[in-house]
Amino acid sequence: AQSVSQHNHHVILSEAASLELGCNYSYGGTVNLFWYVQYPGQHLQLLLKYFSGDPLVKGIKGFEAEFIKSKFSFNLRKPSVQWSDTAEYFCAVNVNNNDMRFGAGTRLTVKP
Amino acid sequence: EAGVVQSPRYKIIEKKQPVAFWCNPISGHNTLYWYLQNLGQGPELLIRYENEEAVDDSQLPKDRFSAERLKGVDSTLKIQPAELGDSAVYLCASSLDGGYNEQFFGPGTRLTVL
Repeated sequence: AQSVSQHNHHVILSEAASLELGCNYSYGGTVNLFWYVQYPGQHLQLLLKYFSGDPLVKGIKGFEAEFIKSKFSFNLRKPSVQWSDTAEYFCAVNVNNNDMRFGAGTRLTVKP
Repeated sequence: EAGVVQSPRYKIIEKKQPVAFWCNPISGHNTLYWYLQNLGQGPELLIRYENEEAVDDSQLPKDRFSAERLKGVDSTLKIQPAELGDSAVYLCASSLDGGYNEQFFGPGTRLTVL
């Protein structure tokens, strides 16, 4: 079945550690890729997106993601996390200009 | 600029009761979405509106769920009657013109069915 997979359910890191959250999708056709973040008690907000061009995209707060078409992946990275990055992160795929499909989310806990 | 507004933020009802959720999208956004988010899961689309037209309601359980966006602005999602399994967060989002445009989310309504 077509899906968006986030393999890490819960990630715990110490401050200054590097972060990589995996996202794989199984849709064919033209895809546009997003990472959304939900901070505790807040609504979902866009972190970054890929439409075309440079497969390495940079988002807010030092986050970046790399689109690897051959691997159907769009992993999220940050070289040094902060306590304030504690949140839930959702990968999402928009296929052929249709609706968004979300992964199950990865909860990130950063220990001070 | 005001974001997507939803009300109520929380709702507790007994099973078999009706419930309604309201959403006011960002001004000028033509596309409105209703999502269902279960605990530990990502949002799942229920219905998408382009202006006042429901263009994708394939995931909406039509036996008990209904939605409307009469004037192409705010929208209401209704459940009648509610079941225990409907307990979840109901999210509303809007975007400028759908498609690949960024979706802006509201805070959601957390529904608990007892």
